Amino acid sequence: NAGVMQNPRHLVRRRGQEARLRCSPMKGHSHVYWYRQLPEEGLKFMVYLQKENIIDESGMPKERFSAEFPKEGPSILRIQQVVRGDSAAYFCASSRGQPDTQYFGPGTRLTVL
Amino acid sequence: AQTVTQSQPEMSVQEAETVTLSCTYDTSENNYYLFWYKQPPSRQMILVIRQEAYKQQNATENRFSVNFQKAAKSFSLKISDSQLGDTAMYFCAFMNQGGSEKLVFGKGTKLTVNP
Repeated sequence: NAGVMQNPRHLVRRRGQEARLRCSPMKGHSHVYWYRQLPEEGLKFMVYLQKENIIDESGMPKERFSAEFPKEGPSILRIQQVVRGDSAAYFCASSRGQPDTQYFGPGTRLTVL
Repeated sequence: AQTVTQSQPEMSVQEAETVTLSCTYDTSENNYYLFWYKQPPSRQMILVIRQEAYKQQNATENRFSVNFQKAAKSFSLKISDSQLGDTAMYFCAFMNQGGSEKLVFGKGTKLTVNP
């Protein structure tokens, strides 16, 4: 009974490169959420997706960040032209919706050099 | 917009004792959910307990229980018989029942259980 899976667990990028973070939801879950955690902070909501639809992206920075959840395959959080301020832990959660409890993946720790 | 406040940045407790973590929230909604998540040093976010606002009965999960005071907008977590493995960051979170299903988190309380 696999939980939410995220990869990679650690990602190092140089300034200006692109970062792609992947999330596979729990079996039976069709709702995916991305959160960002800065050092010594709580998690901040970024985006909420269902298959092929972005439902709420009110927490996403307007530039450089995008997210998708295609019909097939994992959800992807993409950060273009990364800057040092993007260094953080990025968590994905999934649920059955309606709403329902969100279960979290182990996170991806992004370090921008 | 909803906000969640955890007023205790750090707490400590002796093994086998009881500790209570505080959480208050601000919302104009009537139907919502409240959660406590635990983040141990592994950084994994683990659900501890969940409370539906329409339920008057306080939620309980083994050694973990909540004191939900809807009128006061308070949602504290009580950990009984504390164990070393309870050492972690604890985050209180709010979810509105209607509209977007995003979680709004507090800044967390760092709990240390001492042997």
